[in-house]
Amino acid sequence: GAVVSQHPSRVICKSGTSVKIECRSLDFQATTMFWYRQFPKQSLMLMATSNEGSKATYEQGVEKDKFLINHASLTLSTLTVTSAHPEDSSFYICSARALAGGQNEQFFGPGTRLTVL
Amino acid sequence: DAKTTQPPSMDCAEGRAANLPCNHSTISGNEYVYWYRQIHSQGPQYIIHGLKNNETNEMASLIITEDRKSSTLILPHATLRDTAVYYCIVRSNNAGNMLTFGGGTRLMVKP
Repeated sequence: GAVVSQHPSRVICKSGTSVKIECRSLDFQATTMFWYRQFPKQSLMLMATSNEGSKATYEQGVEKDKFLINHASLTLSTLTVTSAHPEDSSFYICSARALAGGQNEQFFGPGTRLTVL
Repeated sequence: DAKTTQPPSMDCAEGRAANLPCNHSTISGNEYVYWYRQIHSQGPQYIIHGLKNNETNEMASLIITEDRKSSTLILPHATLRDTAVYYCIVRSNNAGNMLTFGGGTRLMVKP
């Protein structure tokens, strides 16, 4: 299947700092990327949907000014957690959708574990 | 997208078949059944999907009932590495739809 990478795989930061997470589709072009968040022992929760070249669509309850999403190219989307606080500590997972052959499969990155001290 | 119901947890002996059920009684005609799994601290991994016919690949088999209101994912010979949370998701293949995750089934494969 298609490969999606995330960087960094884990990050520890101080409260009040900003953290940028990159998501790349390595062997396909992804017009749409999704960002999910997963707290311990919970399921994945969709945060936002990002289409290349346009503004992201955020799910209810997700602050767009706190979680900045940029999808500047067909292979790269970034999520910036601004002014991070301990409650933002979570597992952040991106997903990219490949549009090929009439199917639109969704492939997931390995996740980024954010710990805010 | 239709909602799915899965048992929260299941155990399976190593080497035996693992049969994971999923109810999706409100599924509509254009919605597919997708299965993903998530091994601890990793991103979800695609397993298989189907519309109405049974499907098989190198990882698993998917059995969908004739009325499409339920399905079963079968791992024919479970190994310890199959221990994971398995998610059954129903979704149409329209361009605007994303995968929405429920609680999944935590499968524990035991030696």
